[in-house]
Amino acid sequence: EAQVTQNPRYLITVTGKKLTVTCSQNMNHEYMSWYRQDPGLGLRQIYYSMNVEVTDKGDVPEGYKVSRKEKRNFPLILESPSPNQTSLYFCASSSTPGRGRTEAFFGQGTRLTVV
Amino acid sequence: AQSVTQLGSHVSVSEGALVLLRCNYSSSVPPYLFWYVQYPNQGLQLLLKYTTGATLVKGINGFEAEFKKSETSFHLTKPSAHMSDAAEYFCAVSAGTASKLTFGTGTRLQVTL
Repeated sequence: EAQVTQNPRYLITVTGKKLTVTCSQNMNHEYMSWYRQDPGLGLRQIYYSMNVEVTDKGDVPEGYKVSRKEKRNFPLILESPSPNQTSLYFCASSSTPGRGRTEAFFGQGTRLTVV
Repeated sequence: AQSVTQLGSHVSVSEGALVLLRCNYSSSVPPYLFWYVQYPNQGLQLLLKYTTGATLVKGINGFEAEFKKSETSFHLTKPSAHMSDAAEYFCAVSAGTASKLTFGTGTRLQVTL
């Protein structure tokens, strides 16, 4: 089954404690991205990757890091989480970068709370 | 640059009534337009998309949307609402050379008996 898998689904952590949210897709997609969803703001892109070893900032990259060492995996790293990073996070993947027309497949989401 | 405006953060309709969720976009190049639905505690699922060709697009669960370039709109409709349609709906635009999606702020649809 084609899918994007995020882990964990729920996470509560303390300020400053480094964490990683994993994302994996099994569709051989080139393009992967991370979004955060906040009430009244919709989804905003944090980082994206057009292929292995190619990553770039989205609209709200501050406080986040990513890496793309393998095509299927795109982890999101919070080196020093702060309460304003409490949010619902989604990983997405799609094929054919550079065309913009293909649909994005989304993971189930990770609800992060930073206290 | 691209952007999306969804009018109405909450829409309430009676079961069996017409559903109309509004979306207007801004794009400096021909856009690709999408509607996604998010059910509680789930990820986003594609309802329908417009890329090129026919401007009236049919999607899953009886939804459809019409691309109107002159009005820069891509409103989502369904003739008869069902209780199972209650969810949050997001309009999104993609343009240019990347697959980046820019989302609207979402519309929560409530369906009442």
